[in-house]
Amino acid sequence: SAVISQKPSRDICQRGTSLTIQCQVDSQVTMMFWYRQQPGQSLTLIATANQGSEATYESGFVIDKFPISRPNLTFSTLTVSNMSPEDSSIYLCSVGGTSGGSTDTQYFGPGTRLTVL
Amino acid sequence: ILNVEQSPQSLHVQEGDSTNFTCSFPSSNFYALHWYRWETAKSPEALFVMTLNGDEKKKGRISATLNTKEGYSYLYIKGSQPEDSATYLCAFKGGTSYGKLTFGQGTILTVHP
Repeated sequence: SAVISQKPSRDICQRGTSLTIQCQVDSQVTMMFWYRQQPGQSLTLIATANQGSEATYESGFVIDKFPISRPNLTFSTLTVSNMSPEDSSIYLCSVGGTSGGSTDTQYFGPGTRLTVL
Repeated sequence: ILNVEQSPQSLHVQEGDSTNFTCSFPSSNFYALHWYRWETAKSPEALFVMTLNGDEKKKGRISATLNTKEGYSYLYIKGSQPEDSATYLCAFKGGTSYGKLTFGQGTILTVHP
């Protein structure tokens, strides 16, 4: 299993500003994932962050809006840029699920609850 | 676009009741089905990863079944306790072990003492 921490746990931000969320894992992992859950919606994958290469973004998400850093195998950041109220969500980082085994589990951090005014 | 649906959206039960909810997912290109429990302000906790048609998994009072041919999974909680109150999420993984997880919207369970 993996223990994942995120900072901040919650924040209230003004429209037009940016927030960087940090994710720290207690072990080295190849791939880290960033998800968000908008109110009343499903957990949705934003991007996959690989160490040493650019992140891979899902349809509907772009690097200019959600830049990601992955400086080493235990750490990643997600920035939510030029925020609007529609960005109010819970943002979660996740690791695992890629060992190649059919029963590999994906582990999640506790989330960052973001409110944009 | 993959469609993963969970029902009901929310559920209120009394302590001691048994309950169940449903996850439906595409029956084609199936690889795995994950169940998570997510309590407020905590990390989603992995409950089960199910891969074979007919699979049944159990963890304490919680169990799950899987039907890949018709595309559904049931999660059962026997003798619900207030500490079972949480959002229960299912997630479908298609294709390969490297496929991404597509989540349902979750079932919010509240167990009243």
